[in-house]
Parts: sequence; C-alpha cells; structure tokens
Amino acid sequence: QLQLQESGPGLVQPSETLFLTCTVSGGSVSSGTYYWAWIRQPPGNGLEWIGSIFYDGRTYYNLSLKTRATVSIDMSKNQFSVRLDSVTAADTAVYYCATSGNQHHLYYFDNWGQGTLVTVSS
Amino acid sequence: EIVLTQSPGTLSLSPGERATLSCRASQSVINRYLAWYQQKPGQAPRLLIYGVSTRATGIPDRFSGSGSGTDFTLTISRLEPEDFAVYHCHQYESPPWTFGQGTKVEVK
Repeated sequence: QLQLQESGPGLVQPSETLFLTCTVSGGSVSSGTYYWAWIRQPPGNGLEWIGSIFYDGRTYYNLSLKTRATVSIDMSKNQFSVRLDSVTAADTAVYYCATSGNQHHLYYFDNWGQGTLVTVSS
Repeated sequence: EIVLTQSPGTLSLSPGERATLSCRASQSVINRYLAWYQQKPGQAPRLLIYGVSTRATGIPDRFSGSGSGTDFTLTISRLEPEDFAVYHCHQYESPPWTFGQGTKVEVK
C-alpha cells in the first residue's frame, strides 16, 4: 500500500522560498510506475496542480506559477520535493503530494498524502 | 487551459435522496479523461471515478459518472450519511491538469 507524507515548515515569510518534502513508503520513487505530483488548495478554494516529476527526471509544471516552482526527486531518500520561490500571501494553502499513473489514460491522482498547511506571513 | 465549472455550488439534500452534480468543461474532453474526487473536512481528496465512468477500487456502486464532450455528471443514487462532503471534478485531457471549484453536498 503506497503511502505519502508531506513535511516542511508551516510558516514562510513573504518573498522567501517554500520547500516541502514528500516521503514515500510502500513503493519506490525510482520504479517508473508513477508520476510524483504536488497539488495545493488555498483555504476555502479549489485544487490547483503545481507540477509532476517522473523517476527519470522529466518534469511538468503549471505555467500559471510562472517558473517559480521546481519539483525534484531524491532516490536515495525515497522522497520528492517542491520548491516555490518568492512566495506571497496568495501561496498560503494546504499542499498535497500525490501520484498519477505513467500513461496518459492513468493521469488521474490515485494516491494522496494527508496534506500540510503552509501559511505565508510575516 | 481547460476550465471546469461545477454546479451547483452547494446541494442541500437529505439522506436517501439522489444527488446530481454537474461539471462543464470549456473545451471538449474528447478522450474522456475526467475524474471525480470526494473530500471531507480536514482530509485529502479521495479518487471516486476516472475515465468519466469507471469507479475506483472500493467505491460503492451508488456512485456513478456519465457524460461526454463538455458536460459531465456525478450521480449518487441514494445519499448515505458518509456521502456529505465536497466533490471535485478533474480533467487530465490536456495540460495543465485542472480541477473544478467543487460542489458541497450538505445535509438539508
């Protein structure tokens, strides 16, 4: 049973960098079975896909974030991460890590972490 | 970008009633790459339906999905107490992957 767990600071200063990590258990980030994804949800709002990474390093991003986002993978720790630069209050959200399949018809999100709230405030 | 518009924003129903939730796409989801998720307060979304109408593992058959082109529907045939939640539609037809704003199903 694949399990995902987000970790990182709950409070980030405006204009600083947000960095979150997702630890994977019950599976391997190097397996090629999944894309590893980050999704966020501002308080009271809908879901927004941030980006995804494959085990070979291929990355795909939501360009609405204007290149501020970087998703990376650490096979030695069985983790993947998201970095978001120059944050503002609009980046306050619950951040989820999730998986999707490795073929287009499987690109729905079938495993989710519990989510972690990140507040951007001074 | 495919914009998904869900309606209504809130649906007030009683247990045992039928719920019909709508998701309209700004462009055709021609390959039927549309999914539905259920989200309860303080929890992550849970996959219910993918490929418009295929139930995910362990999802009861009172949940069904239908539609084509730009109009899609999630139907809950008889609401159980645990079904009161927010429901999101999601398209994975064309990047960026996008979600609707959600429909809240609340107890009347």
